Amino acid sequence: EPEVTQTPSHQVTQMGQEVILRCVPISNHLYFYWYRQILGQKVEFLVSFYNNEISEKSEIFDDQFSVERPDGSNFTLKIRSTKLEDSAMYFCASSEQGTGNSPLHFGNGTRLTVT
Amino acid sequence: TQLLEQSPQFLSIQEGENLTVYCNSSSVFSSLQWYRQEPGEGPVLLVTVVTGGEVKKLKRLTFQFGDARKDSSLHITAAQPGDTGLYLCAGVYNNDMRFGAGTRLTVKP
Repeated sequence: EPEVTQTPSHQVTQMGQEVILRCVPISNHLYFYWYRQILGQKVEFLVSFYNNEISEKSEIFDDQFSVERPDGSNFTLKIRSTKLEDSAMYFCASSEQGTGNSPLHFGNGTRLTVT
Repeated sequence: TQLLEQSPQFLSIQEGENLTVYCNSSSVFSSLQWYRQEPGEGPVLLVTVVTGGEVKKLKRLTFQFGDARKDSSLHITAAQPGDTGLYLCAGVYNNDMRFGAGTRLTVKP
């Protein structure tokens, strides 16, 4: 069964550095998402992306964050000038027709640790 | 912000017992999804409910969407240790999906 893949599985970075988290969504899916989950807390929506542009973003997704689909297969989340509080699991998800009409398929996440 | 509250936050039961977990909100959702998350993995979809009052069954799991589409419940019959995990509800509102904090279920053999 096709699946969403995320790399790396674990990223350690120093405060102030930039990180890029990578995701390969399921190939025929058109909607892409990033969520994050701070240890022991709820899964939080960051951003959704469709037709090469952001369709929704949460209050968490400020100017520190950006997303890109640089080619036909990858979907990336860039975090500039990382802070300690950015440490979390970051999940990528994709869906065929958007959240209202088809389920989200999640990757296994990237655990980001900012030191 | 469409806030979803899940209860209980933690639940520990013996194998064979029945249980119900709840997902409540003051907002009306176009649909609601239930996910299960294992440690170190992403959430995996269990079911989507769309119509108010809808009931869906998945083996020993029964999902119900409230008539007003503001709340939902998940009932597990004869729980097994393999049911252990974090159960998350997620409400869809304007193509935007937000998660509750989850119910962490432990089923002891």
